[in-house]
Amino acid sequence: GENVEQHPSTLSVQEGDSAVIKCTYSDSASNYFPWYKQELGKGPQLIIDIRSNVGEKKDQRIAVTLNKTAKHFSLHITETQPEDSAVYFCAASFSNNNDMRFGAGTRLTVKP
Amino acid sequence: DAGVIQSPRHEVTEMGQEVTLRCKPISGHNSLFWYRQTMMRGLELLIYFNNNVPIDDSGMPEDRFSAKMPNASFSTLKIQPSEPRDSAVYFCASSFERAYEQYFGPGTRLTVT
Repeated sequence: GENVEQHPSTLSVQEGDSAVIKCTYSDSASNYFPWYKQELGKGPQLIIDIRSNVGEKKDQRIAVTLNKTAKHFSLHITETQPEDSAVYFCAASFSNNNDMRFGAGTRLTVKP
Repeated sequence: DAGVIQSPRHEVTEMGQEVTLRCKPISGHNSLFWYRQTMMRGLELLIYFNNNVPIDDSGMPEDRFSAKMPNASFSTLKIQPSEPRDSAVYFCASSFERAYEQYFGPGTRLTVT
């Protein structure tokens, strides 16, 4: 089955700086890689996703890159703001397998 | 759309009692997922329904756990009897298409004493 590792477990940045979170996966058949943001007391919120036929995807200050050869993908947040502070989860799944595996999460703190 | 709705938001019960968690998926979504989140194990998929039919329940921890989806707008997760180790936050998520673009509910925080 799929195994997803996520680093770092905690990340602290100054407001305005960039933040990068990295994940690796084990199953080369995985082809869908979403990122979720979870604020305290709330459910995970889908913020961006990428499919294996795309190498990079961007949505305003958030971007995700995928390297299928190396089996890793990353979340990039630019011009961070205090409201970006949350726990971020990466995940990976294979389209015909509904078992989406999540990384352990990264607690991002953006200091004003 | 109101998003995925879960109830109750908090549940405190004593060991041995039956617990029922409820979920209303986003209208039009045909896939529904139940997850459990704990500090030790993170987010774990318990069971997945497609068009109201259970497809994969390999994540259900044991026979004390059961889930049903009687129609497209309602699902339940039942624990009977409950044990302290079942304490966790339980999330329901739904999507248009299997694992893609899952939208999570606010969760039910279950505490079993």
